[in-house]
Amino acid sequence: AQSVTQLGSHVSVSEGALVLLRCNYSSSVPPYLFWYVQYPNQGLQLLLKYTSAATLVKGINGFEAEFKKSETSFHLTKPSAHMSDAAEYFCAVIPRTGTASKLTFGTGTRLQVTL
Amino acid sequence: KAGVTQTPRYLIKTRGQQVTLSCSPISGHRSVSWYQQTPGQGLQFLFEYFSETQRNKGNFPGRFSGRQFSNSRSEMNVSTLELGDSALYLCASSLWDNYGYTFGSGTRLTVV
Repeated sequence: AQSVTQLGSHVSVSEGALVLLRCNYSSSVPPYLFWYVQYPNQGLQLLLKYTSAATLVKGINGFEAEFKKSETSFHLTKPSAHMSDAAEYFCAVIPRTGTASKLTFGTGTRLQVTL
Repeated sequence: KAGVTQTPRYLIKTRGQQVTLSCSPISGHRSVSWYQQTPGQGLQFLFEYFSETQRNKGNFPGRFSGRQFSNSRSEMNVSTLELGDSALYLCASSLWDNYGYTFGSGTRLTVV
């Protein structure tokens, strides 16, 4: 079964520092890959998605992610953290094979941004 | 353009009762999915509907059911509520497969 692993349940960075949130998938056929963000008491907001075009994907709020097939990774980065980036981030996948269209989520990474 | 609307936002129910949650997808979106989010289990897929047909189902007991109407609006029902059903229930809609799902703000269900 398709799975996705997010390393680090909590990440803390200083305001202005680089944000790096890690995501690895486990399938021989690269799936569709997504990053979502969740603010307290809110639903999930799509940050960016990888379907099959450019391996470097730019999303909203200055975030981007790079798909690396050799490493089965899709890490999320932002050059300079802002206080408003504090939230929980979820990596998710949809397999390319079969008829499944459900998202399988990682366990999430809570990002803390300090002054 | 209106987003995905879920009602109600908050709900408190007693064990043994049943509950119905509602989801209105983005206009034109035909795929609607439901997810349960809990601190212990994270985000888990419940089911997905497309053009009024259940296309996928997660690993939940039969007490959890859903349906989709011809206007793509969807409802999910949980019967004989248990304390463990307390969760944030999220609805998501998509224009077509793998396009990326837009989520609603969720319904926070508390079972006492």
